[in-house]
Amino acid sequence: ETGVTQTPRHLVMGMTNKKSLKCEQHLGHNAMYWYKQSAKKPLELMFVYSLEERVENNSVPSRFSPECPNSSHLFLHLHTLQPEDSALYLCASSQDKGINEKLFFGSGTQLSVL
Amino acid sequence: GIQVEQSPPDLILQEGANSTLRCNFSDSVNNLQWFHQNPWGQLINLFYIPSGTKQNGRLSATTVATERYSLLYISSSQTTDSGVYFCAVRTGANNLFFGTGTRLTVIP
Repeated sequence: ETGVTQTPRHLVMGMTNKKSLKCEQHLGHNAMYWYKQSAKKPLELMFVYSLEERVENNSVPSRFSPECPNSSHLFLHLHTLQPEDSALYLCASSQDKGINEKLFFGSGTQLSVL
Repeated sequence: GIQVEQSPPDLILQEGANSTLRCNFSDSVNNLQWFHQNPWGQLINLFYIPSGTKQNGRLSATTVATERYSLLYISSSQTTDSGVYFCAVRTGANNLFFGTGTRLTVIP
């Protein structure tokens, strides 16, 4: 148990659906992250929030929309996704965003877009 | 950007054997972490080790920052050690950058 909880564990959605991924951390951390893991590729950073403010957006398509209502919760809202968006989506948190950041990951949401 | 290479890409071990995983990086780093991803996708932080040596049970890690590499040692491997091991590094004020991993299979 890493202290970072993601739901759902698995999600299948059509290209016209709207769904949301949820992440909650119980570690008292100030920074939260969304990563995408596709087959045969390194983890890709999507979004970073520090103290509930977005500090990084790595050129992610607008069909992915993050939300961080407080330092313990992070959402990823999905709409009109494409089949190539199928991947494992991982949430992580760290005490702070900085040189010494040490990441703690959730179990991920395995997303399939049909 | 920084290049992170992990070797070997795949490794098969008999239970009880020892192994060394390597992470080479192309620039000076101020943060280096090793992670284990189990077959169910869970990533566990094993070490935060931008330099020096650390040990945690059967696992130990050494980073030689001046020579731009880090090693992860697994001794007396167990089937539960199976999964993918990732190295992640950070340079300057950039974000952590992950390598492509080493897939370890430990057979009984």
